[in-house]
This record gives sequence, structure tokens and C-alpha cells, in this order.
Amino acid sequence: QKEVEQDPGPLSVPEGAIVSLNCTYSNSAFQYFMWYRQYSRKGPELLMYTYSSGNKEDGRFTAQVDKSSKYISLFIRDSQPSDSATYLCAMDWGGGSEKLVFGKGTKLTVNP
Amino acid sequence: GAGVSQSPRYKVAKRGQDVALRCDPISGHVSLFWYQQALGQGPEFLTYFQNEAQLDKSGLPSDRFFAERPEGSVSTLKIQRTQQEDSAVYLCASSLGQLSGEQYFGPGTRLTVT
Repeated sequence: QKEVEQDPGPLSVPEGAIVSLNCTYSNSAFQYFMWYRQYSRKGPELLMYTYSSGNKEDGRFTAQVDKSSKYISLFIRDSQPSDSATYLCAMDWGGGSEKLVFGKGTKLTVNP
Repeated sequence: GAGVSQSPRYKVAKRGQDVALRCDPISGHVSLFWYQQALGQGPEFLTYFQNEAQLDKSGLPSDRFFAERPEGSVSTLKIQRTQQEDSAVYLCASSLGQLSGEQYFGPGTRLTVT
């Protein structure tokens, strides 16, 4: 079992839909949780960065962390064709290790 | 300001050749990371520098892989005697170096070994 599991999709939704992306993890030592967006042939771009359990909102994006269930989510409201990309969850232990452990990525297509 | 840059963007090597991949981090960023991303997979950690010190190289897949950052700025990832399984995108990221600071990625170098 990998430390971070993410459904690779692909996921296809109509423009304006609410998108829900999820990751589960097995290592309870993870403290910091991130979502990256990666367009084709580009590097990952940091979208959301959260510490510990709870919600964080930034525009159309909401990140949720449930440490008791070892489950994190990213919600995209009013999805746009420009949101079409691969979304990667990532996490690290904190305490100076700094190396990120990534999920496999979910490929999202938003259809106009 | 300028982000993380990597060169070359694409590299084709014949099996057995040595390659060198370069990363220019964001100015002032103390920490620098290398990741390997296979097709359809998430990035996997290779190695980590804080300034010029290589603090973690646990992800390097074999002793054919070597990384350096001699002056604490630009870094080079070298792969000796390339094999087909080395074909991947090699990503560089940098951060300010605070505990679990946000990492900013470059565009990657796509290496194809034929």
C-alpha cells in the first residue's frame, strides 16, 4: 500500500460543476497538506497549503483536512475549462524533513 | 520575480551516456529539492539541499545518480551510464527553508533514454 492514495480518474465534468478531489494516507505523522495543479508539460503549481485538520478557502478552492480519518479533499466551485489539469495532493512530516510525498494525481477535464 | 528555471527542457540520451540537468532556484531560497516524475505518476523525492549541504539523498535510485549544489544556489543532477528506466521528467523545487515551507517547482527536464 502506498503512503498516499489518490484516484487517478480521469474525471470529466461540465463547466460550472462542483468538483471534489480526494486523497487518503496511511502515515499519521503527516502534518502539512498541499494541493498542486499541473498542466500538461509544466511543473506543479502550488494551489493550497494547510496545516492540521480543518478547512481553508481561497477563491473558488476549498481544502479540507480530516486527520482522524487520514483524508484530505479539494473542492473547486464553479469549475472552468481553465481548471482542466492534473491535481496532485502532497504531504510532509514537518520537523525539518521537508520532502513531499505525492499522490498519483487526478486528471480533471472541465467541458465548456 | 523569476521562478525556478531548469535546463535543458528536453534531453534525449543514448543508453550508457552521462547527462547533467541544471536547476536555478528562486533567488534567496535556501532549500532545493529534486524529484522524479514517471509518466502518469506523482513526483517522487530524490534529494534535498539546504544551502550547499545535501541533507537527504535517500530517494536517489542508484549510485549512478549524483547531485550537487556547490555554492548554495544553482544545482546539478547528474546521471551516469543512463538506462531506459531513467526516462522521466526531473523536477526541481525550491523553498525559503522554513520548516515545511511551500515548495515552488520548475518546469522540469524531460529525459528520454533510447
